[in-house]
Amino acid sequence: DQQVKQNSPSLSVQEGRISILNCDYTNSMFDYFLWYKKYPAEGPTFLISISSIKDKNEDGRFTVFLNKSAKHLSLHIVPSQPGDSAVYFCAASGDKIIFGKGTRLHILP
Amino acid sequence: DGGITQSPKYLFRKEGQNVTLSCEQNLNHDAMYWYRQDPGQGLRLIYYSQIVNDFQKGDIAEGYSVSREKKESFPLTVTSAQKNPTAFYLCASSDLDSQYQPQHFGDGTRLSIL
Repeated sequence: DQQVKQNSPSLSVQEGRISILNCDYTNSMFDYFLWYKKYPAEGPTFLISISSIKDKNEDGRFTVFLNKSAKHLSLHIVPSQPGDSAVYFCAASGDKIIFGKGTRLHILP
Repeated sequence: DGGITQSPKYLFRKEGQNVTLSCEQNLNHDAMYWYRQDPGQGLRLIYYSQIVNDFQKGDIAEGYSVSREKKESFPLTVTSAQKNPTAFYLCASSDLDSQYQPQHFGDGTRLSIL
């Protein structure tokens, strides 16, 4: 039973445009959400997070939006750059962190 | 430069053999974790430890064992009881001072069966 779902295995976006990665969760007890970025043969690195008491958090080109009623969060990257090509994991935290399966983002030149 | 070091980067196991994956951190983090990643899958928690000499099973602990004799070290043993050990193994750590502290990851060990 997947508590954190990333339904798009991959996404291709033109360089300079906006990338939107989506994540859905089922457990309303999750109170903190995180996005990690992972390059091949490396460990994930923390990107941005949001508390359940907020609906938006912004850090440079990265913005995370949280819709608690829909149990949905999204990561917006704008403008998208070639170095953004990676796998992005959504994670939700309650008493422990649960990771989604990841979305592979390809930034096209 | 603080971080998490996993070794080796690649490891091969023969049938019936136990192998140990190393994880060392110099971030002074209390909590350490082991995850397994399979192709097209998310990270699944194997074991975690919040304090020295104590650890708890995660979601897929069968066939694995750990120890936490030092704060800096959290080695994972893949035993012969783990029938499908081929995967990418990630070690992580976090500070327990904040419940919402993100986890820091090592660069992983890829384990394959000979």
